[in-house]
Amino acid sequence: GAGVSQSPSNKVTEKGKDVELRCDPISGHTALYWYRQSLGQGLEFLIYFQGNSAPDKSGLPSDRFSAERTGGSVSTLTIQRTQQEDSAVYLCASSQGGGETQYFGPGTRLLVL
Amino acid sequence: GENVEQHPSTLSVQEGDSAVIKCTYSDSASNYFPWYKQELGKRPQLIIDIRSNVGEKKDQRIAVTLNKTAKHFSLHITETQPEDSAVYFCAARPGANNLFFGTGTRLTVIP
Repeated sequence: GAGVSQSPSNKVTEKGKDVELRCDPISGHTALYWYRQSLGQGLEFLIYFQGNSAPDKSGLPSDRFSAERTGGSVSTLTIQRTQQEDSAVYLCASSQGGGETQYFGPGTRLLVL
Repeated sequence: GENVEQHPSTLSVQEGDSAVIKCTYSDSASNYFPWYKQELGKRPQLIIDIRSNVGEKKDQRIAVTLNKTAKHFSLHITETQPEDSAVYFCAARPGANNLFFGTGTRLTVIP
C-alpha cells in the first residue's frame, strides 16, 4: 500500500514568513510523529499525535511551531515567522499504534533565506 | 528525558569486513530500540529492531545486541557490501511514544 507522503518536497521561504508542511500518514495508522533533521544531525522529536488524545508537544522548540491533525489522518505542521535556524528537513512518521514500528515519509526540505 | 549517544560518527570499512556501531541510552524505562538506515536524500528505513526482553536479534547479515544493565546496544553488519554505505541511526523509546535518536553514523564501504 501507499507509504507516508509529505508535501511540498522542497520549500524556500523568506525570513519572517509563515510556512505549512503537510503529512499524509499510512491509512489506518493512528499515531503520527513530526521530527526535524538538521544538516548532518540526528532526528529531533517535535510533536506526537495518538488517536483522539491530546498531542505530546514537548519537543516543539518554540511557540512559533504548531501542528494539527484533522480527522485523525492528515497533519499540518506550521512554522510562523520563520527564522534561518528553522532550515532543516522536516520528517513525518506514522505507526499503527503508539508502540508500533514508525514508518517515515520522504520529508520536506525547508530553506529559510 | 531520554538521551541517546552514538559512536562512531563516521566509519569506513573494506568490502567484506564487519562494521559495528554502538549506542548508549540514559532512561532505564526505554524498552524498544530500532535501527534506521538513511541513504543520501532518502527517508530513514527501519532495518532491524529489538525489544528489552531480548538480548540479541539477527536478520541475515545484520544483528543487534542489547545490554540492559549497561544501557547500551549495538548494530553489527557482517560481510559488508557497497550498498550498505549510508547513515545509520539508533533510537530508544521510553514507553510507547516518540523515539529519541542518536546523531547517526556515516558508514562507507570501500570496494
